[in-house]
Amino acid sequence: GENVEQHPSTLSVQEGDSAVIKCTYSDSASNYFPWYKQELGKGPQLIIDIRSNVGEKKDQRIAVTLNKTAKHFSLHITETQPEDSAVYFCAAVNNAGNMLTFGGGTRLMVKP
Amino acid sequence: GAGVSQSPSNKVTEKGKDVELRCDPISGHTALYWYRQRLGQGLEFLIYFQGNSAPDKSGLPSDRFSAERTGESVSTLTIQRTQQEDSAVYLCASSWGGGEEKLFFGSGTQLSVL
Repeated sequence: GENVEQHPSTLSVQEGDSAVIKCTYSDSASNYFPWYKQELGKGPQLIIDIRSNVGEKKDQRIAVTLNKTAKHFSLHITETQPEDSAVYFCAAVNNAGNMLTFGGGTRLMVKP
Repeated sequence: GAGVSQSPSNKVTEKGKDVELRCDPISGHTALYWYRQRLGQGLEFLIYFQGNSAPDKSGLPSDRFSAERTGESVSTLTIQRTQQEDSAVYLCASSWGGGEEKLFFGSGTQLSVL
């Protein structure tokens, strides 16, 4: 089955700096890669996703890049703010296309 | 309701007791997932329901865990003879169907087994 690895597990940045979280996946047939943000005491929420027919997608301060050849994808947050502090999960759809496999999560801390 | 609703929000039980956790998905969502999240850890897949298809139970950790779903509505996750290692947040999510659809998560049930 699909295996998703996520790094780093924790990331601390100064407010205004950029943050990058990286994920690798094992199934070359995977073609959908969402990112979820989980704030304390809440369930994860989708913040951005990318499909295999594009290499990059941006939404304001958030961008995601995908390298299908290398089987890795990354989340980039620019001009970080304290409210970006949360746990971020990457995911990939398995080869049957019916279920997400999540990475282990990254705890992002933005220091004011 | 507008979102995925889970109840109870918190459950404290004694080791050996059975517990039942409930999930009300968004109306019309055909797919429903249960995940377990231990403190400070990632999302551990438990079970997946899609419409009237047989559920994918491949993530259930032992035969003490079971889940049911009535049609495309409410789901219950039952843990029998609870153990301390069952302590975790149990998250439910629903979607329109298929892995490429956005998952909507509930706020979870915090289970504490004493």
